[in-house]
Amino acid sequence: DGGITQSPKYLFRKEGQNVTLSCEQNLNHDAMYWYRQDPGQGLRLIYYSQIVNDFQKGDIAEGYSVSREKKESFPLTVTSAQKNPTAFYLCASSLNGQGGTTEAFFGQGTRLTVV
Amino acid sequence: AQSVTQPDIHITVSEGASLELRCNYSYGATPYLFWYVQSPGQGLQLLLKYFSGDTLVQGIKGFEAEFKRSQSSFNLRKPSVHWSDAAEYFCAGGYQKVTFGTGTKLQVIP
Repeated sequence: DGGITQSPKYLFRKEGQNVTLSCEQNLNHDAMYWYRQDPGQGLRLIYYSQIVNDFQKGDIAEGYSVSREKKESFPLTVTSAQKNPTAFYLCASSLNGQGGTTEAFFGQGTRLTVV
Repeated sequence: AQSVTQPDIHITVSEGASLELRCNYSYGATPYLFWYVQSPGQGLQLLLKYFSGDTLVQGIKGFEAEFKRSQSSFNLRKPSVHWSDAAEYFCAGGYQKVTFGTGTKLQVIP
């Protein structure tokens, strides 16, 4: 079945450690996105990529890094520079990377807790 | 700034009653507009989308939304709510970069 897979579903890390969240899609979509969700704040865009080997900062990119070496994969690293990393992270993809917006398909999310 | 606004944080309706969730957008031209639903601890599922054309859009699960340019609104409606509709609903809009509203949490009482 086609879809977006995020792993793991729950992740615990100690403060000061970097952690990488996985996102894989087999929908052959060009664009991929990372969002952060906090209660009462909706979804805030961290990074997005419209094409392989290219990505752009979203609204809250500080303390995060990404790579897009393959079309199917868009891992997110939460670095120790991120001041409040505990949150629910959502990965999404959409068909068109450039020239227009199509609807986004979402993974099931990763809940990161930093202690 | 370009954005979508959901003025209602929380709405409670009785099962079988009608539902309307509000969404207002602020863009220079007509953006692409979407409604998504999220169950607790899950990802988002697309309910419906508006790109152009007919201003009344039908979606899944019996939902519809109407685009009103004069009011800069894209409100979500359902004629009769079921207990399983209890979830959080997000309006989203944009061009190449999509912005999400802060969400409306729907509670359904028997």
